[in-house]
Amino acid sequence: KAGVTQTPRYLIKTRGQQVTLSCSPISGHRSVSWYQQTPGQGLQFLFEYFSETQRNKGNFPGRFSGRQFSNSRSEMNVSTLELGDSALYLCASSRTAGRDEKLFFGSGTQLSVL
Amino acid sequence: AQTVTQSQPEMSVQEAETVTLSCTYDTSESDYYLFWYKQPPSRQMILVIRQEAYKQQNATENRFSVNFQKAAKSFSLKISDSQLGDAAMYFCAYSPGTYKYIFGTGTRLKVLA
Repeated sequence: KAGVTQTPRYLIKTRGQQVTLSCSPISGHRSVSWYQQTPGQGLQFLFEYFSETQRNKGNFPGRFSGRQFSNSRSEMNVSTLELGDSALYLCASSRTAGRDEKLFFGSGTQLSVL
Repeated sequence: AQTVTQSQPEMSVQEAETVTLSCTYDTSESDYYLFWYKQPPSRQMILVIRQEAYKQQNATENRFSVNFQKAAKSFSLKISDSQLGDAAMYFCAYSPGTYKYIFGTGTRLKVLA
């Protein structure tokens, strides 16, 4: 069974640009969540999608958005990039995102904003 | 506010020895789950161990065990017989059941040969 796939693995952008990251969950998983990882801050929750609906959103500005498609694949978009957006963006999938459920993570997209 | 605190940014352990990573959390909930995840250099997070708050018995998974103190809101991870492959970032996480996890800032574990 294929794991969670995130593309691209690395991305370099300049301030003001926008970026789209992609995540393909494990087959059969309908929940996809996104986290931003920075040194010293750990993982910060961005949002979670289930069956194309956003069920929870973290405390990030409106420049961060996401969506989920009918095949459960998800994308997140960051517009008007700032230097502080440089981070590792991790996607995780699970069957339903129940509180007891294990999350399966991808290897992340390392975004550098210059 | 629901928070998770890992006060040890970095720890070292000699191969074959035992090490304990600390984690405290803050919540007003009574029913929740706690997790330890490992992030090796490949960056892919892997579940190490999981504990339900209602279960008093500490969870164990082979060489990994937890010391769960609900009243103190403490959830430490003990790694016995440490191996070189245990070197990684370890994250403590809390799941309140709102479709998200709350993670600590991580502890980098170095294993010395």
